Amino acid sequence: EVQLVQSGAEVKKPGQSLRISCKGSGYNFPTYWIAWVRQMPGRGLQWMGIIYPADSDTRYSPSFQGQVTISADRSITTAYLQWSSLKASDTGVYYCARSSSSVNFDFWGQGTLVTVSS
Amino acid sequence: ETVLTQSPGTLSLSPGERATLSCRASQSVSNTYLAWYQQKPGQAPRLLIYGASSRATGIPDRFSGSGSGTDFTLTISRLEPEDFAVYYCQQYGRSSFTFGGGTKVEIK
Repeated sequence: EVQLVQSGAEVKKPGQSLRISCKGSGYNFPTYWIAWVRQMPGRGLQWMGIIYPADSDTRYSPSFQGQVTISADRSITTAYLQWSSLKASDTGVYYCARSSSSVNFDFWGQGTLVTVSS
Repeated sequence: ETVLTQSPGTLSLSPGERATLSCRASQSVSNTYLAWYQQKPGQAPRLLIYGASSRATGIPDRFSGSGSGTDFTLTISRLEPEDFAVYYCQQYGRSSFTFGGGTKVEIK
């Protein structure tokens, strides 16, 4: 069974750093792209970026380039999303999702709620 | 970047009725790379349709997708109580993904 299990909810202050994780299991993790998707409170879905764990090839949405870093550790089948300096506007739910061979997102993590507030 | 515009923003219907959701792209999208998702409150999105018209595993046949080029449609033939949710279209092109703004299907 394919599963993506994300790390738990986080509460941070503006300016703090953060890394959240997404652990894949039940499939050949290195050979499927993993994407990160943001959902701000009451809003729609925004694609942030995507990584190929086999070689760490990474692509970013222009809207998120330079704002976040996506990485992966194939040895522990885990992808990461990190911020060096959080802003209040980073508050939202962040999902990881596996990209299928048809370039859609066929499996999703349960989401990680990130709250940034002073 | 390809912008996806979904309409209507909200669709108020009764169980048993037919729902027709539209997704219009700012430039032509390959059918291969057009997908639809369903999201219920507090849950992650779920893949419904990929390749514009293929149902994902386990998706009932009351869901169907159609369209090409810049105009795509998701149809729910007869709404069941569990179908009231928000629906998003999504496309891939030039190493970039975009989602539409969503259509909420609510109980009338």
